[in-house]
Amino acid sequence: QSALTQPRSVSGSPGQSVTISCTGTSSDVGDYNYVSWYQQHPVKAPKLMIYDVTKRPSGVPDRFSGSKSGNTASLTISGLQAEDEADYYCCSYAGSYTLVFGGGTKLTVL
Amino acid sequence: QLQLQESGPGLVKPSETLSLTCTVSGGSISSSSYYWGWIRQPPGKGLEWIGNIYYSGSTNYNPSLKSRVTISVDTSKNQFSLRLRFVTAADTAVYYCARVGIAARRMANWFDPWGQGTLVTVSS
Repeated sequence: QSALTQPRSVSGSPGQSVTISCTGTSSDVGDYNYVSWYQQHPVKAPKLMIYDVTKRPSGVPDRFSGSKSGNTASLTISGLQAEDEADYYCCSYAGSYTLVFGGGTKLTVL
Repeated sequence: QLQLQESGPGLVKPSETLSLTCTVSGGSISSSSYYWGWIRQPPGKGLEWIGNIYYSGSTNYNPSLKSRVTISVDTSKNQFSLRLRFVTAADTAVYYCARVGIAARRMANWFDPWGQGTLVTVSS
């Protein structure tokens, strides 16, 4: 069970859109529609932003959206705002009742 | 509003056992709709799933930690606990507990909400 692959960092200017990728294998991301995304501000607990690839929990702005193609899931943040600057982690069901996280991506709002 | 709170020693000696408890408030740990899980984050690093437990006591663990980990539940206290044996410095991390969503065929699919986390340092 290897960690999912995310870019170490991405950046964008306010108002722009950014996309964070999360690449796994045919045994996790590619085989199940159970990818979730978490936002983590410094010294804070992670917060669920997207689950089941595309679903948004109540209270999460619709600027956040998720998608998946093959073994790669993506989180897109549109209309970037300063408060979106944070670390983002993907997570996937990986079979046999196990879960695996990505290594995390630091989003910088320029 | 459901809340989770981790508690336990902040310092553990190498080769000893790390023990943490997560207290759930604002909801019942005996819900058939959720698992309850532990996740950890070494300083400056990413998240690592440790394992989940159902209120009945059935467990699932990260294969890389399975030989050292035990997760248990106490429904009378609305708590679940983590024990990690034979710890080393590599086990130094912030440990989080969280509620875990259950999808089709009992597959786990999300963590929400999370506790605030507790830092456990392994050092002599």
